[in-house]
Amino acid sequence: DAGVIQSPRHEVTEMGQEVTLRCKPISGHDYLFWYRQTMMRGLELLIYFNNNVPIDDSGMPEDRFSAKMPNASFSTLKIQPSEPRDSAVYFCASSRTSGLTDTQYFGPGTRLTVL
Amino acid sequence: AQSVTQPDIHITVSEGASLELRCNYSYGATPYLFWYVQSPGQGLQLLLKYFSGDTLVQGIKGFEAEFKRSQSSFNLRKPSVHWSDAAEYFCAVARRSNDYKLSFGAGTTVTVRA
Repeated sequence: DAGVIQSPRHEVTEMGQEVTLRCKPISGHDYLFWYRQTMMRGLELLIYFNNNVPIDDSGMPEDRFSAKMPNASFSTLKIQPSEPRDSAVYFCASSRTSGLTDTQYFGPGTRLTVL
Repeated sequence: AQSVTQPDIHITVSEGASLELRCNYSYGATPYLFWYVQSPGQGLQLLLKYFSGDTLVQGIKGFEAEFKRSQSSFNLRKPSVHWSDAAEYFCAVARRSNDYKLSFGAGTTVTVRA
């Protein structure tokens, strides 16, 4: 099993640019989560999907952030326009249909730096 | 609202010594409880979890955790640490409902000295 795959692993961009982060969950997992990790706020849940449908996006910081899951094997997190305060490590995680009692498997993360 | 507190930001321990990481939660009922480990440059890996039953939970890599309802704690322990245990450790909680949100503590960084 390849695990959760995220790309790119590192992204450096300039303020105002659009940034797209990508995630491929583990095959057969119906839940997909996007997290953000910063020194100031720690690890926080941004949004999660069940069967490709966004269930809770209350953690998305503002309208500049959007997430999609067009199919069971792919999700994107987009920031437009990006700002320096968006610099963080973004993690994607997935779990099986049983939900919370199942383990969430995390990808290696994307380290985003906005200059 | 639930919250998770990890009182120790950084712990240094000698290789072969025992390790205990503290975690306290604030919630009206017993939540689901988790410990994750994050090695440098890596994603989080689940060490163990507690839902119900035996309050002493065994996990991977020789770790265990004990749930104490009276103290609202879920401390992580390892009898003898290895240099490879140097990492950041996160305690997390989730409500006992059909809600998949994990709330994470701030993390404890463990340094292992030879």
